[in-house]
Amino acid sequence: DIQMTQSPPSLSASVGDRVTITCRASQSIEHYLHWYQHKPGNAPKLLIYAASTLHTGVPSRFSASGYGTDFTLTISSLQPEDFATYYCQQTYSRVETFGQGTKVEVK
Amino acid sequence: EVLLVEAGGGSVQPGGSLRLSCSASGFTFSDYWMHWVRHAPGKGLVWVSRINGDGNDISYADSVRGRFTISRDNAKSTLYLQMDSLRADDTGVYFCSRGGTSGRNDYWGQGALVTVS
Repeated sequence: DIQMTQSPPSLSASVGDRVTITCRASQSIEHYLHWYQHKPGNAPKLLIYAASTLHTGVPSRFSASGYGTDFTLTISSLQPEDFATYYCQQTYSRVETFGQGTKVEVK
Repeated sequence: EVLLVEAGGGSVQPGGSLRLSCSASGFTFSDYWMHWVRHAPGKGLVWVSRINGDGNDISYADSVRGRFTISRDNAKSTLYLQMDSLRADDTGVYFCSRGGTSGRNDYWGQGALVTVS
């Protein structure tokens, strides 16, 4: 199976900070990489699909890039509602996999 | 409006069985792949299984293959997950989701809690 490694596992940040999360695949997944936000008690929300395309209704402070094995999610100016856990997911292979998550906490 | 509603969660002893369902509305169900994803307490999201629109292309995570069976009834716009030989590490909230272009999971249900103990 393709392994997805996110870093860091957690980070502390303040409102207004620029936040960057990385995701590395154990083999090339081309652009089949998606980012989700998950808050406790809620359903996950799709933020970015196909490595860099913003999902409908997602604020433009979220952006992402990458291809092949290395990917990045950036929040340009962290807002109070952005404190959550973020996951990358590959859908390149028949057996899909998520990264272990990055928890963004209040500093 | 796309709506996914899971049902069938509950508590079961190890070795037992449970069947989850996911009722879909707001889109042409048979046109889309559908997925199950688990969130265990204090842990990350785990992809469980997926099925194509016709029901003839199916895959599973290694941890559930041979124990879980995904299926769908397009006439009823409903997705299923039959879970047999349940183990404690199957515990969690099970979400159904719709598979969009590039395989993204673009819409999610609110989840069904499964507790194995």
